Amino acid sequence: GAVVSQHPSRVICKSGTSVKIECRSLDFQATTMFWYRQFPKQSLMLMATSNEGSKATYEQGVEKDKFLINHASLTLSTLTVTSAHPEDSSFYICSAKQGGYEQYFGPGTRLTVT
Amino acid sequence: QKEVEQNSGPLSVPEGAIASLNCTYSDRGSQSFFWYRQYSGKSPELIMFIYSNGDKEDGRFTAQLNKASQYVSLLIRDSQPSDSATYLCAGFNYGGSQGNLIFGKGTKLSVKP
Repeated sequence: GAVVSQHPSRVICKSGTSVKIECRSLDFQATTMFWYRQFPKQSLMLMATSNEGSKATYEQGVEKDKFLINHASLTLSTLTVTSAHPEDSSFYICSAKQGGYEQYFGPGTRLTVT
Repeated sequence: QKEVEQNSGPLSVPEGAIASLNCTYSDRGSQSFFWYRQYSGKSPELIMFIYSNGDKEDGRFTAQLNKASQYVSLLIRDSQPSDSATYLCAGFNYGGSQGNLIFGKGTKLSVKP
């Protein structure tokens, strides 16, 4: 149980385009989903937290207009990187929790912006 | 600023030895702690969590929590080369309504055959 999927696993896009990443909880209803970014050899950095049906809460320094998060249902959250630039190239990981403490991570999406 | 500190390593141990990974935290309000393992290029996977003072054992893994010293550790007995990964310590932060995990930067473990 507690499986989280992400799609796509890898994406390459051109600078200036937008990319959407999906995060799904497959066997539980996620009251809260988190989006992290991880640059090479760095730790996870929380970007934003979202609750189903509510606006996401963004961490300091994360542009909400650039990283659009939609949490339309209890099993799906999407992150859209708008007008992507090479510096946005990173490993994007979502996690989800049903309640309580534990977060279950998706497998991650590697974004490369050329 | 709520922080979780870990020695980045790398920590190198021979196969079969005990690997000891340490973590300290600054927020006395943190009540639960999690250890995640992350292989290169993969997302973190939960190993175990602990919320009571003392030891908690699960197979070859033992988590230890000392709230007075604000110290958490993970012991891996009979270390295997497959245990080579980065280990992330995370504290549960009650700040805000969501309750976020605060991650350390991770300790890289290398188990030599």
